[in-house]
Amino acid sequence: RKEVEQDPGPFNVPEGATVAFNCTYSNSASQSFFWYRQDCRKEPKLLMSVYSSGNEDGRFTAQLNRASQYISLLIRDSKLSDSATYLCVVNIYGGSQGNLIFGKGTKLSVKP
Amino acid sequence: EPEVTQTPSHQVTQMGQEVILRCVPISNHLYFYWYRQILGQKVEFLVSFYNNEISEKSEIFDDQFSVERPDGSNFTLKIRSTKLEDSAMYFCASSTYSDSNEKLFFGSGTQLSVL
Repeated sequence: RKEVEQDPGPFNVPEGATVAFNCTYSNSASQSFFWYRQDCRKEPKLLMSVYSSGNEDGRFTAQLNRASQYISLLIRDSKLSDSATYLCVVNIYGGSQGNLIFGKGTKLSVKP
Repeated sequence: EPEVTQTPSHQVTQMGQEVILRCVPISNHLYFYWYRQILGQKVEFLVSFYNNEISEKSEIFDDQFSVERPDGSNFTLKIRSTKLEDSAMYFCASSTYSDSNEKLFFGSGTQLSVL
Protein backbone atom coordinates (compact mmCIF):
# COMPACT_ATOMS: atom_id res chain seq x y z
CA ARG A 1 0.00 0.00 0.00
CA LYS A 2 1.30 3.45 -0.93
CA GLU A 3 2.35 5.57 2.02
CA VAL A 4 0.58 8.75 0.94
CA GLU A 5 -2.21 8.54 -1.62
CA GLN A 6 -3.85 11.34 -3.53
CA ASP A 7 -6.27 11.60 -6.42
CA PRO A 8 -3.97 12.52 -9.33
CA GLY A 9 -6.57 14.70 -11.01
CA PRO A 10 -6.39 16.86 -13.01
CA PHE A 11 -9.05 19.00 -11.45
CA ASN A 12 -10.22 21.56 -13.99
CA VAL A 13 -12.26 24.32 -12.37
CA PRO A 14 -13.41 27.83 -13.31
CA GLU A 15 -12.14 30.89 -11.49
CA GLY A 16 -14.01 31.46 -8.27
CA ALA A 17 -14.81 27.80 -7.72
CA THR A 18 -14.24 25.94 -4.50
CA VAL A 19 -12.11 22.85 -4.84
CA ALA A 20 -11.22 20.14 -2.33
CA PHE A 21 -8.26 17.78 -2.30
CA ASN A 22 -8.11 14.61 -0.27
CA CYS A 23 -5.21 12.56 0.94
CA THR A 24 -4.82 9.36 2.95
CA TYR A 25 -1.70 8.11 4.66
CA SER A 26 -0.89 4.57 5.67
CA ASN A 27 1.49 4.96 8.61
CA SER A 28 -0.39 5.60 11.85
CA ALA A 29 2.86 6.85 13.39
CA SER A 30 2.77 9.91 11.14
CA GLN A 31 3.12 12.99 13.28
CA SER A 32 3.39 16.04 11.08
CA PHE A 33 1.33 16.90 8.04
CA PHE A 34 1.71 19.47 5.33
CA TRP A 35 0.39 20.67 2.02
CA TYR A 36 2.99 21.74 -0.49
CA ARG A 37 2.48 23.35 -3.84
CA GLN A 38 4.61 22.53 -6.86
CA ASP A 39 4.56 24.43 -10.13
CA CYS A 40 5.62 22.63 -13.29
CA ARG A 41 9.28 21.53 -13.02
CA LYS A 42 9.88 23.74 -9.99
CA GLU A 43 10.67 23.01 -6.37
CA PRO A 44 7.97 22.15 -3.82
CA LYS A 45 6.93 25.11 -1.70
CA LEU A 46 5.23 24.83 1.66
CA LEU A 47 1.63 25.98 1.46
CA MET A 48 0.61 25.21 5.01
CA SER A 49 1.09 22.84 7.89
CA VAL A 50 -1.95 20.84 8.97
CA TYR A 51 -2.90 20.80 12.63
CA SER A 52 -5.19 18.41 14.47
CA SER A 53 -7.77 21.11 15.12
CA GLY A 54 -7.79 22.18 11.50
CA ASN A 55 -6.41 25.47 10.32
CA GLU A 56 -7.10 28.20 7.84
CA ASP A 57 -4.90 30.61 5.93
CA GLY A 58 -6.91 33.03 3.84
CA ARG A 59 -8.68 31.07 1.13
CA PHE A 60 -7.04 27.79 2.18
CA THR A 61 -8.39 25.45 4.85
CA ALA A 62 -6.69 22.25 5.94
CA GLN A 63 -8.24 19.46 7.99
CA LEU A 64 -6.76 16.37 9.62
CA ASN A 65 -8.59 13.24 10.75
CA ARG A 66 -6.11 11.03 12.59
CA ALA A 67 -8.63 8.25 13.19
CA SER A 68 -9.26 7.91 9.46
CA GLN A 69 -5.69 8.87 8.51
CA TYR A 70 -7.11 11.45 6.19
CA ILE A 71 -6.03 14.99 5.30
CA SER A 72 -7.88 17.54 3.21
CA LEU A 73 -7.26 20.90 1.62
CA LEU A 74 -10.03 23.26 0.59
CA ILE A 75 -9.40 26.21 -1.71
CA ARG A 76 -12.14 28.81 -1.87
CA ASP A 77 -12.58 31.42 -4.60
CA SER A 78 -9.89 29.83 -6.73
CA LYS A 79 -7.60 32.08 -8.77
CA LEU A 80 -5.76 31.44 -12.03
CA SER A 81 -2.55 31.58 -9.99
CA ASP A 82 -3.70 28.60 -7.91
CA SER A 83 -3.02 26.35 -10.91
CA ALA A 84 -0.34 23.94 -9.73
CA THR A 85 0.13 20.45 -8.33
CA TYR A 86 -0.77 20.11 -4.65
CA LEU A 87 1.34 17.67 -2.67
CA CYS A 88 0.21 15.99 0.53
CA VAL A 89 3.22 15.39 2.78
CA VAL A 90 3.69 13.58 6.08
CA ASN A 91 6.54 13.14 8.52
CA ILE A 92 6.82 9.85 10.38
CA TYR A 93 7.38 10.05 14.13
CA GLY A 94 11.00 9.30 14.91
CA GLY A 95 12.19 10.23 11.47
CA SER A 96 14.32 13.27 11.07
CA GLN A 97 12.43 16.36 10.14
CA GLY A 98 13.75 16.17 6.64
CA ASN A 99 12.50 12.67 5.90
CA LEU A 100 9.25 13.85 4.44
CA ILE A 101 6.98 11.37 2.67
CA PHE A 102 5.37 12.98 -0.36
CA GLY A 103 2.24 12.01 -2.18
CA LYS A 104 2.32 12.06 -5.94
CA GLY A 105 0.19 15.19 -6.00
CA THR A 106 -3.11 16.39 -7.38
CA LYS A 107 -2.97 18.68 -10.37
CA LEU A 108 -5.24 21.71 -10.34
CA SER A 109 -6.00 23.81 -13.40
CA VAL A 110 -8.05 26.96 -12.86
CA LYS A 111 -9.57 28.33 -16.06
CA PRO A 112 -10.85 31.86 -16.74
CA GLU B 1 13.38 35.70 1.61
CA PRO B 2 16.70 33.81 1.78
CA GLU B 3 17.22 31.13 -0.84
CA VAL B 4 18.85 27.77 -1.29
CA THR B 5 20.81 27.89 -4.53
CA GLN B 6 21.70 24.90 -6.70
CA THR B 7 24.10 24.55 -9.58
CA PRO B 8 24.00 23.62 -12.35
CA SER B 9 20.33 23.90 -13.25
CA HIS B 10 20.79 21.21 -15.89
CA GLN B 11 23.43 18.49 -16.10
CA VAL B 12 23.79 16.02 -18.92
CA THR B 13 26.15 13.09 -18.47
CA GLN B 14 26.98 9.74 -19.97
CA MET B 15 26.09 6.54 -18.17
CA GLY B 16 28.92 5.45 -15.89
CA GLN B 17 30.27 8.96 -15.37
CA GLU B 18 30.56 10.67 -12.02
CA VAL B 19 28.51 13.78 -11.34
CA ILE B 20 28.59 16.28 -8.51
CA LEU B 21 25.54 18.38 -7.81
CA ARG B 22 26.13 21.51 -5.79
CA CYS B 23 24.02 23.37 -3.31
CA VAL B 24 24.49 26.45 -1.16
CA PRO B 25 22.08 26.20 1.77
CA ILE B 26 20.79 29.24 3.62
CA SER B 27 23.66 30.58 5.69
CA ASN B 28 22.36 30.07 9.23
CA HIS B 29 20.81 26.67 8.54
CA LEU B 30 22.27 23.59 10.16
CA TYR B 31 20.34 20.72 8.58
CA PHE B 32 20.71 19.79 4.93
CA TYR B 33 18.84 17.37 2.70
CA TRP B 34 18.73 15.94 -0.79
CA TYR B 35 15.53 14.82 -2.46
CA ARG B 36 14.90 13.65 -5.99
CA GLN B 37 11.92 13.55 -8.33
CA ILE B 38 11.83 11.31 -11.37
CA LEU B 39 9.70 12.81 -14.12
CA GLY B 40 6.02 12.20 -13.40
CA GLN B 41 6.75 10.63 -10.03
CA LYS B 42 6.64 11.77 -6.44
CA VAL B 43 9.37 13.65 -4.59
CA GLU B 44 11.55 11.13 -2.70
CA PHE B 45 13.84 11.62 0.28
CA LEU B 46 17.48 10.66 -0.25
CA VAL B 47 19.51 11.81 2.73
CA SER B 48 19.72 14.23 5.64
CA PHE B 49 22.98 15.70 6.95
CA TYR B 50 23.87 17.44 10.19
CA ASN B 51 27.12 18.28 11.92
CA ASN B 52 29.15 16.81 9.08
CA GLU B 53 27.44 13.46 9.29
CA ILE B 54 24.61 11.68 7.55
CA SER B 55 21.75 11.53 10.04
CA GLU B 56 19.35 9.52 7.93
CA LYS B 57 19.25 8.00 4.46
CA SER B 58 16.73 6.17 2.33
CA GLU B 59 17.03 2.89 0.46
CA ILE B 60 17.66 4.88 -2.70
CA PHE B 61 20.86 6.33 -1.22
CA ASP B 62 23.13 3.37 -1.92
CA ASP B 63 26.91 3.16 -2.18
CA GLN B 64 26.87 5.07 -5.47
CA PHE B 65 25.79 8.20 -3.62
CA SER B 66 27.73 10.35 -1.21
CA VAL B 67 27.31 13.78 0.34
CA GLU B 68 29.83 16.26 1.58
CA ARG B 69 30.07 19.70 3.05
CA PRO B 70 33.54 20.60 1.80
CA ASP B 71 33.54 24.13 3.24
CA GLY B 72 31.32 26.39 5.25
CA SER B 73 28.88 27.10 2.47
CA ASN B 74 28.57 24.26 -0.05
CA PHE B 75 26.72 20.96 0.27
CA THR B 76 27.29 18.45 -2.53
CA LEU B 77 25.74 15.24 -3.77
CA LYS B 78 28.02 12.92 -5.72
CA ILE B 79 26.88 10.03 -7.85
CA ARG B 80 29.89 7.86 -8.58
CA SER B 81 28.78 5.91 -11.64
CA THR B 82 25.54 7.21 -13.03
CA LYS B 83 22.82 4.92 -14.34
CA LEU B 84 20.00 5.74 -16.72
CA GLU B 85 17.55 5.51 -13.82
CA ASP B 86 19.40 8.29 -11.97
CA SER B 87 17.85 10.74 -14.41
CA ALA B 88 15.70 13.00 -12.25
CA MET B 89 15.36 16.45 -10.73
CA TYR B 90 17.48 16.66 -7.61
CA PHE B 91 16.40 19.12 -4.94
CA CYS B 92 18.57 20.34 -2.10
CA ALA B 93 16.86 21.65 1.05
CA SER B 94 17.89 23.12 4.36
CA SER B 95 16.38 24.04 7.69
CA THR B 96 17.37 25.74 10.91
CA TYR B 97 16.22 23.01 13.25
CA SER B 98 15.25 19.40 13.06
CA ASP B 99 11.87 19.94 14.67
CA SER B 100 9.20 18.03 12.80
CA ASN B 101 7.24 21.19 12.08
CA GLU B 102 10.21 23.23 10.97
CA LYS B 103 9.93 24.58 7.45
CA LEU B 104 12.19 23.15 4.79
CA PHE B 105 13.53 25.54 2.19
CA PHE B 106 14.03 23.87 -1.17
CA GLY B 107 16.38 24.95 -3.93
CA SER B 108 15.14 25.20 -7.50
CA GLY B 109 16.72 21.87 -8.40
CA THR B 110 19.24 20.35 -10.79
CA GLN B 111 17.79 18.39 -13.69
CA LEU B 112 20.13 15.43 -14.26
CA SER B 113 19.90 13.60 -17.57
CA VAL B 114 21.91 10.39 -17.94
CA LEU B 115 22.35 9.26 -21.53
